[in-house]
Amino acid sequence: DAGVIQSPRHEVTEMGQEVTLRCKPISGHDYLFWYRQTMMRGLELLIYFNNNVPIDDSGMPEDRFSAKMPNASFSTLKIQPSEPRDSAVYFCASSLGAKNIQYFGAGTRLSVL
Amino acid sequence: GNSVTQMEGPVTLSEEAFLTINCTYTATGYPSLFWYVQYPGEGLQLLLKATKADDKGSNKGFEATYRKETTSFHLEKGSVQVSDSAVYFCALRPYNNNDMRFGAGTRLTVKP
Repeated sequence: DAGVIQSPRHEVTEMGQEVTLRCKPISGHDYLFWYRQTMMRGLELLIYFNNNVPIDDSGMPEDRFSAKMPNASFSTLKIQPSEPRDSAVYFCASSLGAKNIQYFGAGTRLSVL
Repeated sequence: GNSVTQMEGPVTLSEEAFLTINCTYTATGYPSLFWYVQYPGEGLQLLLKATKADDKGSNKGFEATYRKETTSFHLEKGSVQVSDSAVYFCALRPYNNNDMRFGAGTRLTVKP
């Protein structure tokens, strides 16, 4: 398996623009997690899904952020409108079962100018 | 609440030196504890884990023991290599939910 695949690897956009980050989990995994990594706050869980259903979105910073998982092999994290303070590395991870190892993608480095 | 505090870096060592990265946690109940490693330009990879008190996780020469009495999970390696240069994250998963909590990360640089 190719592992968790995220795209794009890098995204540079201007303030106010819509940004969409994409994730393909490992085939067969039933949990998908979105994290944000910044120097100030470290690695934070934003939201996670089980069988395509959002279970806990309490980490989503505000209404500008939304995440979807239309099927078992694809998820998106959207920021609209984007702001400079959203600049961070966003990671997607997946696992088979709630208590098993989470496998991380390589991340998307987002820069909002 | 649940949280992880780990030793601030950066840490610079010579090859074959002994490594310790301290990690302590605060949690209710009995969390599972993890060490993840992040190589440049890559995502986090699980290095080792322990799910109950006194368990020792080990992998690639790294070890960490789950110490309930001191709420610690320190990472050790007897002889580091240049290829161990990376950022190391201590993490916990509470016993009753999937909200993983990560430490701030410790950057390790090993010089030849």
